[in-house]
Amino acid sequence: DVKVTQSSRYLVKRTGEKVFLECVQDMDHENMFWYRQDPGLGLRLIYFSYDVKMKEKGDIPEGYSVSREKKERFSLILESASTNQTSMYLCASSRMGGGTGELFFGEGSRLTVL
Amino acid sequence: AQSVTQLDSHVSVSEGTPVLLRCNYSSSYSPSLFWYVQHPNKGLQLLLKYTSAATLVKGINGFEAEFKKSETSFHLTKPSAHMSDAAEYFCVVSPNSGGYQKVTFGIGTKLQVIP
Repeated sequence: DVKVTQSSRYLVKRTGEKVFLECVQDMDHENMFWYRQDPGLGLRLIYFSYDVKMKEKGDIPEGYSVSREKKERFSLILESASTNQTSMYLCASSRMGGGTGELFFGEGSRLTVL
Repeated sequence: AQSVTQLDSHVSVSEGTPVLLRCNYSSSYSPSLFWYVQHPNKGLQLLLKYTSAATLVKGINGFEAEFKKSETSFHLTKPSAHMSDAAEYFCVVSPNSGGYQKVTFGIGTKLQVIP
């Protein structure tokens, strides 16, 4: 069964803390994505990566960075968490090419910043 | 440029009655279109996709959608709602081209199914 796994389902952090959200996929996909989901706003793309060590900014990259050292792993980093980063974070992966590929999602990481 | 509009933020139906979730899109290209479903505290799962083949697309759990280019619509339907269909549904548009994807999500429609 193919999978995208987000290691932390629920996190509570304090303002100013550094936060790491980890995502691992077992489908050998080239593309990986981090989205943020907020009520009434749908999913907004933070960053995506199309290859190891490659990254592209999405629509809302401010306050976030990413790391992709291995093909299967894509990490989202909040250098100094703020309360407006309280949200659901979704990782996804897809195959390279065609623009028609399905996105496979993890179950999400719900982050609360106090 | 592309965009997607889900016309209803909430839809409520009785169990056993038809479901209609509406989606309109705009795209400079011939797009691919998707519907995803998200159950509470879960990730998104693909329901169905249109990729320039048949305009009537059948998906999982009895859902289907029809691509209407003249109306720039991709509405999701199901003949008879089940309690397990209660979830949030997202319409998604993607440029039908090579390379890495840049997809656009609608804001979602929450489907409530009343017993």
